[in-house]
Amino acid sequence: EDQVTQSPEALRLQEGESSSLNCSYTVSGLRGLFWYRQDPGKGPEFLFTLYSAGEEKEKERLKATLTKKESFLHITAPKPEDSATYLCAVQAPRDYKLSFGAGTTVTVRA
Amino acid sequence: SAVISQKPSRDICQRGTSLTIQCQVDSQVTMMFWYRQQPGQSLTLIATANQGSEATYESGFVIDKFPISRPNLTFSTLTVSNMSPEDSSIYLCSVRLFSGLDTGELFFGEGSRLTVL
Repeated sequence: EDQVTQSPEALRLQEGESSSLNCSYTVSGLRGLFWYRQDPGKGPEFLFTLYSAGEEKEKERLKATLTKKESFLHITAPKPEDSATYLCAVQAPRDYKLSFGAGTTVTVRA
Repeated sequence: SAVISQKPSRDICQRGTSLTIQCQVDSQVTMMFWYRQQPGQSLTLIATANQGSEATYESGFVIDKFPISRPNLTFSTLTVSNMSPEDSSIYLCSVRLFSGLDTGELFFGEGSRLTVL
């Protein structure tokens, strides 16, 4: 069974204090790893898809990287508007379904 | 991306009643799904809504409890039947869009937050 573990559960940062979120996964052949951002009371917002180890993608202050066992979401010089829950999900080759982790809730204080 | 509209955005329901959630997409999509997000937890797939045929349910979810309709490629409904407080959750409609890549990307609606008293 596919497993996705995100750490830490919660992260409190000062504005400008860079940090990283971890997503460890176990899947039989990764077809894609997805990062989402979810604000309170809203649906998840798609951020990135990573397909193979070594791949990196960036969007504003966010950078996602992928290895064979885990993915990192780096937040560089965060701002309060980066406060959200970040979700990681994986897709196995056998079907189209995604398995989600529990998320990391990031709070950035001004 | 796609614009996915869900109604209602939130509701408070009485135990034993049923509620139908609507999902409207601004373009035709092949793959449409319903997820549940219980308080403080991540997303769990309920079922795949198949156009013109019965939905495909995940383990732990049954048609009698969560009947789904999908009359066309832009619309689906999820009914939560005979609700109990344990059904209090956010219910999310999502669609898979393919941009030439094999994997495709999953986009979500804003969700419908149900509270069952």
